[in-house]
Amino acid sequence: EVQLVESGGGLVQPGGSLRLSCAASGFPFSKYWMSWVRQAPGKGLEWVANIKQDGSEKYYVDSVEGRFTISRDNAKNSLYLQMNSLRAEDTAVYFCARVPFIYQYYMDVWGKGTTVTVSS
Amino acid sequence: EVVMTQSPATLSVSPGERATLSCRASQSVISNLAWYQQKPGQAPRLLIYGASTRATGIPAKFSGSGSGTEFTLTISSLQSEDFAVYYCQQYNNWPLTFGGGTKVEIK
Repeated sequence: EVQLVESGGGLVQPGGSLRLSCAASGFPFSKYWMSWVRQAPGKGLEWVANIKQDGSEKYYVDSVEGRFTISRDNAKNSLYLQMNSLRAEDTAVYFCARVPFIYQYYMDVWGKGTTVTVSS
Repeated sequence: EVVMTQSPATLSVSPGERATLSCRASQSVISNLAWYQQKPGQAPRLLIYGASTRATGIPAKFSGSGSGTEFTLTISSLQSEDFAVYYCQQYNNWPLTFGGGTKVEIK
């Protein structure tokens, strides 16, 4: 079964850091671009970042550029999101998702999400 | 940034009726558009990609059309499981952007 499972969410103070993980199974992880997408409470979906199969290309939404870093470990079938200098507006459910085809950046498999709350 | 605008924000439909959802892009995204369904407390589910191609396992009651800047998702004969929020997403340009969503509710 194709599956993505996020972890690492929690409560963090403004200015703090958090590292999210996403464990992939049931498909050849190293062959796919991967994404992080977030959803603030009661709001719509917002794309956060994408990473190429080998990690050589990364793209970010402007609001997280310089604060968040997407990375992956293909040997561990894992995707990560290092979040630094967190702000209240980063509070959201964070989903990892698979991009099924190269250069076709929609998402066909999603995890259930992990919740990040930034608050003092 | 390509701004995606969905309308209406809320659509009230009776079971068995058809729903037509609109998505407009601020500039052409060719056919690089996807539609997702999201139910409360769940992850989004891919319905349509390439503006009109149904994803694996998606029933024919869901159909997508359009190109350039104007797109439509049509859901025929709505059943209880179809009441949800629907999002469009363009993947022609960075940053990837989603519409604000259309909530399809029971009339």
